[in-house]
Amino acid sequence: AQSVTQLGSHVSVSEGALVLLRCNYSSSVPPYLFWYVQYPNQGLQLLLKYTSAATLVKGINGFEAEFKKSETSFHLTKPSAHMSDAAEYFCAVSDRPGGGNKLTFGTGTQLKVEL
Amino acid sequence: EPEVTQTPSHQVTQMGQEVILRCVPISNHLYFYWYRQILGQKVEFLVSFYNNEISEKSEIFDDQFSVERPDGSNFTLKIRSTKLEDSAMYFCASSEDPGTTDTQYFGPGTRLTVL
Repeated sequence: AQSVTQLGSHVSVSEGALVLLRCNYSSSVPPYLFWYVQYPNQGLQLLLKYTSAATLVKGINGFEAEFKKSETSFHLTKPSAHMSDAAEYFCAVSDRPGGGNKLTFGTGTQLKVEL
Repeated sequence: EPEVTQTPSHQVTQMGQEVILRCVPISNHLYFYWYRQILGQKVEFLVSFYNNEISEKSEIFDDQFSVERPDGSNFTLKIRSTKLEDSAMYFCASSEDPGTTDTQYFGPGTRLTVL
């Protein structure tokens, strides 16, 4: 069964600093990997996804993630944090292409951005 | 931009009562899902639904739960006799026909509180 582990339930950065949110996965088959963001009182919004094409994936709002098979990682980064990035971030994995496939989520990382 | 909507945003019920959570998926999507998130825990898959039947369900989705697509637009989750441990945020999601995309789009959630 597939799983993801997010290291750090809370991460705090200064505005303008690098954001790094960690995600490691476990999957018996080549995975599809996702990062979702949840702003207060809103649903989960897709930031980016990896589906076995380019290992460096660019998403919305300046975020990107790199799939590293050797490290079983899919860490999320953004070069310069903005106050509006404060939210909860979820890494998720699925192991089958196409629709109708369940996502397995990590426990989430709350990102705080300070002035 | 099309979005998944859910009603109500917050539902309070007494233990043992039946509740129905409602979702309107994106109109051209064919796969539908329910997930839940107990406070402080992971987002967990409950069930997926395609072509008017359940595609996959988790161990959580026992006989107390049921899903239905009563018309061409709504997708509902029913809990027949709620328990205290059913208190959680319930998310609905939808995705397009498999083979085109595997991105699941999430609604804002319904917070269920069982007293």
